[in-house]
Amino acid sequence: EVQLVESGGNLVQPGGSLRLSCAASGFPFSRSWMHWVRQAPRGGLVWVSRINPDGGTTRYADSVKGRFTISRDNAKNTLYLEMNSLRAEDTAVYFCVREVYWSIEHWGQGTPVTVSS
Amino acid sequence: DIQMAQSPSSLSASVGARVTITCRASQDIRNHLVWYQQKPGRLPNLLIYEASILQSGVPPRFSGSGSGTDFTLTISSLQPEDVATYYCQNYNSDPLTFGPGTKVDI
Repeated sequence: EVQLVESGGNLVQPGGSLRLSCAASGFPFSRSWMHWVRQAPRGGLVWVSRINPDGGTTRYADSVKGRFTISRDNAKNTLYLEMNSLRAEDTAVYFCVREVYWSIEHWGQGTPVTVSS
Repeated sequence: DIQMAQSPSSLSASVGARVTITCRASQDIRNHLVWYQQKPGRLPNLLIYEASILQSGVPPRFSGSGSGTDFTLTISSLQPEDVATYYCQNYNSDPLTFGPGTKVDI
């Protein structure tokens, strides 16, 4: 069974930093593209970032480019999202998701991030 | 960047009705279009990928069509359990933008 368990979400002040983690199991993590997707309260889905299986290719939404960094540790089956210079508009639940053939097939339960003073 | 638009933003229909949701991309995305369903308080669920391929386990009353810039999600006979918000997603090129969603009620 595929499991994606996020952690690291918290309340942080504007301008602050957070590191999200996602522990993956039940599938070949080291061969999977992985993404972060976020959803603001009562909002829609927003794609944030993705990373290829060996970690050598990363892509970002324009809204987070230069502030967020996606990475992975295949030895630990863990995905990360380093978030810096956080803004109020980054407030959302952040989902770790697994790509399977041109789509997102598996979602974690999400970890909430609140940016507020 | 590719922008995704959906219409309508919300709709209400009767049980058994045929429902059509449209998704339009600002550039040609070939057939790399994905549809998701998100029921209230639940995680999104993959419905259709590559514009028209039904994900395993999804009821056949759901179907997708289109290519290039214009796409359609159709529910042939709306059921109470289909109350949800439906999102399309560009999967052709980064950033992999989602549409704003279409809320379906009964």
